[in-house]
Order: sequence, then C-alpha cells, then structure tokens
Amino acid sequence: TQLLEQSPQFLSIQEGENLTVYCNSSSVFSSLQWYRQEPGEGPVLLVTVVTGGEVKKLKRLTFQFGDARKDSSLHITAAQPGDTGLYLCAGVVDYGQNFVFGPGTRLSVLP
Amino acid sequence: NAGVTQTPKFQVLKTGQSMTLQCAQDMNHEYMSWYRQDPGMGLRLIHYSVGAGITDQGEVPNGYNVSRSTTEDFPLRLLSAAPSQTSVYFCASSYRQNTEAFFGQGTRLTVV
Repeated sequence: TQLLEQSPQFLSIQEGENLTVYCNSSSVFSSLQWYRQEPGEGPVLLVTVVTGGEVKKLKRLTFQFGDARKDSSLHITAAQPGDTGLYLCAGVVDYGQNFVFGPGTRLSVLP
Repeated sequence: NAGVTQTPKFQVLKTGQSMTLQCAQDMNHEYMSWYRQDPGMGLRLIHYSVGAGITDQGEVPNGYNVSRSTTEDFPLRLLSAAPSQTSVYFCASSYRQNTEAFFGQGTRLTVV
C-alpha cells in the first residue's frame, strides 16, 4: 500500500482541453510538492504547498492543497503538447523525514 | 552550472557483478539522495545523506551501499547485481532535507 495515491494513472487528451489530476493520502502532510518528469529526464519541481487550502498558480497550472492537508490537485487549463509528461506528487509528514513520492499520472496531450 | 551529474547514463550488468553509479553536484547542497524508479511505483528512496560523512537508509536499501566523503559526491554501489535491481536510478540533491530536490538525468540499469 502506497502512502500517496495518484489518479488517474494515465490520461490522454486533445490540445486545448482542461484536466485535473489528484494526489490523495490518509496521512496529514506538513508539505507537498508537485514535479513533472519528461521522458529520459529527471523530475523537475513545479510547486511546493504547505498551508491547508492553499492555492498556487503557475501560468496555466493551478495547484490546490486540501484543507486537511491530506490531498492535493493539479488543474491544467487549455493543455498543450508541451504539458506531456509524468506528474508526481511528493509529501512529507514531518520535517526531518524524507519526502515520499506517489506513483504518478502520465499525461499525453495530443496536437 | 552543471547541477546534478550522473554517470553512466546506461549500463548492462550480469547477475552477480558489482558496479558504482556516480553522482556529483556543484550547488554546495547538504542533502543528497538516491532513488529507483520502476513502472507504477513512483520514486523509492534507497539511501540518503544529510551531509558529508553521514548516510542513512531509505525505503529500499538492501543490495546497495553509499558513502559521502565530500559534499559534492554521493556514489551508489551495487554489491552483487540481481535482476530485481533492473530499474532507472536517480540521484538528487537539495539545500536541506525537505527543500526543492534537483535531480540528475538518471541511469538506466539492466541486470541480465
């Protein structure tokens, strides 16, 4: 059983569509990160959220941390082929511990 | 600025062979870590280091050794390769333990 669950596992959409991917846990996190990983590369940090209910925007990407700090979502508006990749969430329960990664959502945006 | 550099990028080993995956960072980060990535499993922590001379086990440490003699370098040693160690390995560094992780490009290892 993984500490973090991500859904959907795979998502294939057309350019211009909107989408939301989810990261869920039964644990409360002190901090949660989202990374994007492109084929053949290492993950790259998109955002870190630390406060329950927090919303952060990065251009067309909107990240939300649940009020109870057990879940998070990533919404992409008007997806583009450049958004294609593996989206990973990572959470840490207590500072001094290590981040734990979810299994990821693999997104494919078709032109 | 090179960031995190991993070598080699690809490697094929026979069962029972040993090898060392190299990792170097030039950002003067205290924290370094090794992960393996398998389909549907995300990234799993193998070993980590909070500073030179200090290492500790992560979630899946069996079959791997690490050392941290300098701030810059954090090599991962496979003692006796097994097919179950076929995976993509990533090294990462962070300023501190729970800050942004910077990843290398990965090493794709196949054990036959």
